[in-house]
Amino acid sequence: DGGITQSPKYLFRKEGQNVTLSCEQNLNHDAMYWYRQDPGQGLRLIYYSQIVNDFQKGDIAEGYSVSREKKESFPLTVTSAQKNPTAFYLCASRGQGGNYGYTFGSGTRLTVV
Amino acid sequence: KQEVTQIPAALSVPEGENLVLNCSFTDSAIYNLQWFRQDPGKGLTSLLLIQSSQREQTSGRLNASLDKSSGRSTLYIAASQPGDSATYLCAVSRFGYSGAGSYQLTFGKGTKLSVIP
Repeated sequence: DGGITQSPKYLFRKEGQNVTLSCEQNLNHDAMYWYRQDPGQGLRLIYYSQIVNDFQKGDIAEGYSVSREKKESFPLTVTSAQKNPTAFYLCASRGQGGNYGYTFGSGTRLTVV
Repeated sequence: KQEVTQIPAALSVPEGENLVLNCSFTDSAIYNLQWFRQDPGKGLTSLLLIQSSQREQTSGRLNASLDKSSGRSTLYIAASQPGDSATYLCAVSRFGYSGAGSYQLTFGKGTKLSVIP
């Protein structure tokens, strides 16, 4: 079945560490997105990519980095510059054009210890 | 800047009741509107996608309507069941401002639904 796989499901980060969240899709979608979800807030866009080797900052990109070397993969790195990284991270993808809906992965919960 | 509001924030109903969840948005220049369901600690599951040119979409016991001119959408759930208990999120798709042809979602904060057996 086609879908989006996020790993790991739970991730713990020590102060000053960089950590990378994985997102893989087999839907042949061009566009991929990373969102952050905090309790009591709506989802907020971190980064998005419309095509391989291209990506754009979203509303809250500071302290995060991404790469898009393959169509299927869009990993997110949470750097030590992100001061409040504890959150639920969701990856999504979408087919080409504005008429397609989004498909989301199952999420990664990141906790700073 | 697009803002999406969902009312109520939480709703508790007895099993079997029909219910309506509301979503409003401030900028009517949207491409589509999507309703999602989220179970605790899980990702988002797409329920219904309504294009800007459409008025409603139906899937099983779910019906979503869209009135773009007034900036409103409703999600109607018929004959609610305990398994419907979850948080329901509304999101509108807007054209991004980066010039890269992006379509970005703006989310509401959700309505947490509890269906009591």
